[in-house]
Amino acid sequence: SQQGEEDPQALSIQEGENATMNCSYKTSINNLQWYRQNSGRGLVHLILIRSNEREKHSGRLRVTLDTSKKSSSLLITASRAADTASYFCATDAWAGANNLFFGTGTRLTVIP
Amino acid sequence: EAGVAQSPRYKIIEKRQSVAFWCNPISGHATLYWYQQILGQGPKLLIQFQNNGVVDDSQLPKDRFSAERLKGVDSTLKIQPAKLEDSAVYLCASSLGRESETQYFGPGTRLLVL
Repeated sequence: SQQGEEDPQALSIQEGENATMNCSYKTSINNLQWYRQNSGRGLVHLILIRSNEREKHSGRLRVTLDTSKKSSSLLITASRAADTASYFCATDAWAGANNLFFGTGTRLTVIP
Repeated sequence: EAGVAQSPRYKIIEKRQSVAFWCNPISGHATLYWYQQILGQGPKLLIQFQNNGVVDDSQLPKDRFSAERLKGVDSTLKIQPAKLEDSAVYLCASSLGRESETQYFGPGTRLLVL
């Protein structure tokens, strides 16, 4: 079974608004990553947060990690129409393996 | 730098036929992955190579799926014979090594089994 579960499954917002997606996982992790997938395309790595980190920023992205609750959130600020895509969290169980377990994804639609 | 290349982009076959997918990773990337992504789901790892050796193939249905990376560069994933439930996008990804967490994905091959 897949490691992560994203919530919500689908999210529709107006351009300029913030979008928040959540991810829950089941077992201990080494790190957690977020990927974006545009329709019909491969996945693009967005950001990685390690198990000993609580928050990380990259441009308009902000990721939090709560290992006690086994959950993470991805915040996209000031959304743009180009942010329309599916977003997946992926967990890596132990260092050196780099075996990613992907969640089911959140489909984000940003309305211009 | 050139990204991960995959071919074909689309393939339609009938059940019980065979099909093969090809992947060329980013130059210098030692680790190569094949994922299966069923519609509406996240990618699921099928097999991971480190150079030309298999690191993890625990989720590969070995009765019908096979993969190789003979020279440690290009890789081929084969399905023989295909079933209806094999309809999915097959994604190839590569990374510098097993210690390098960022994986770079190709565009995928969309397979439809009729």
